[in-house]
Amino acid sequence: KQEVTQIPAALSVPEGENLVLNCSFTDSAIYNLQWFRQDPGKGLTSLLLIQSSQREQTSGRLNASLDKSSGRSTLYIAASQPGDSATYLCAVRLEYGNKLVFGAGTILRVKS
Amino acid sequence: DTGVSQDPRHKITKRGQNVTFRCDPISEHNRLYWYRQTLGQGPEFLTYFQNEAQLEKSRLLSDRFSAERPKGSFSTLEIQRTEQGDSAMYLCASSPGLAGGRRYNEQFFGPGTRLTVL
Repeated sequence: KQEVTQIPAALSVPEGENLVLNCSFTDSAIYNLQWFRQDPGKGLTSLLLIQSSQREQTSGRLNASLDKSSGRSTLYIAASQPGDSATYLCAVRLEYGNKLVFGAGTILRVKS
Repeated sequence: DTGVSQDPRHKITKRGQNVTFRCDPISEHNRLYWYRQTLGQGPEFLTYFQNEAQLEKSRLLSDRFSAERPKGSFSTLEIQRTEQGDSAMYLCASSPGLAGGRRYNEQFFGPGTRLTVL
């Protein structure tokens, strides 16, 4: 059974700091990995999708890497801003099936 | 592209009542998913449709839950005889399928329906 773990569970940083969120998964037979942002009481916003054949994806101040063989992904946020405060979720899609398996998320607070 | 929409956004019901939620996917997305999210946890998969066919169901989807997607457009999720343990955020997502090019399997989520069972 695929399990997804996110570390840390919560993170508080001052504005402007660069930070890294970690995601690990137990079954390396994944089709892709997706990072999401969720604001309190809201739905999920897709940030980045990395196919299993890719090593990283970038969008603006966000960079996500994938090491499929070791079962790890990181989300790097550069020059953090108070508006980045949210819960960040990673999810993997297995090679077999269509569902996403999510981690519990990292709650990020960026202080101004 | 107006995004995935869900209705209602909030639902409060008494234990034992039936509730129905609606999801409208992004236009021309042929794949639709339902997830459930409880406080402090990531979403958990419930079921998946490709067009009107329900192709995958989680064991979380008990006999009290039923989902439909008539004509491969909007979808409904019904919960019969609600229990307090059903209280959660119910999220719908869609993906474009093969017509979506490189992002064909990227899932886009709606705002969710928050269910509270008293």
